[in-house]
Amino acid sequence: DAGVTQSPTHLIKTRGQQVTLRCSPKSGHDTVSWYQQALGQGPQFIFQYYEEEERQRGNFPDRFSGHQFPNYSSELNVNALLLGDSALYLCASWGGSSYNEQFFGPGTRLTVL
Amino acid sequence: QKEVEQDPGPLSVPEGAIVSLNCTYSNSAFQYFMWYRQYSRKGPELLMYTYSSGNKEDGRFTAQVDKSSKYISLFIRDSQPSDSATYLCAMSEGGNQFYFGTGTSLTVIP
Repeated sequence: DAGVTQSPTHLIKTRGQQVTLRCSPKSGHDTVSWYQQALGQGPQFIFQYYEEEERQRGNFPDRFSGHQFPNYSSELNVNALLLGDSALYLCASWGGSSYNEQFFGPGTRLTVL
Repeated sequence: QKEVEQDPGPLSVPEGAIVSLNCTYSNSAFQYFMWYRQYSRKGPELLMYTYSSGNKEDGRFTAQVDKSSKYISLFIRDSQPSDSATYLCAMSEGGNQFYFGTGTSLTVIP
């Protein structure tokens, strides 16, 4: 079992551009959450997807959007990139109701210049 | 005021020491309390989770929750160099949104 996978590993963009990050959940998991982790900070919840719909959203602007596909994989899109969007973007997948079933991927490091 | 406060450290201890990591929080609705370990350039890995108040032990790790004081702790006994990582506390009201602390950087010196 490959666990949660994310692509790409690293990404460099310039201000104003748009970016798409991808996540494949752990086998058997149907729920995906996205987090932003700035350097030296804890992860901040962006949103969660279940059954291809956004189930809950954190305090992030509409520039952050997402999608979940029928195979449960997910994308995070960020438009009009700002320097402050530079961070590690983490995907976590969840297969049930117990919190010990949530697994994080290795993250995508986004640098905005 | 942040909902979850955690001393960022860094914390440096000799091998074999007992390590104490702590978080405080302000939201009395938090019911689930988690500790994650994050190695450099990796995603967080769940170590312990506790529902409501009390203690939970798993090998060398003990998690404590004191809801009356809004204070949680993680103790690591017989610390090893492989325990060197950043430790994140996280909390939830029971829904889908987790609130993380900033993380405490721990180095265990051989």
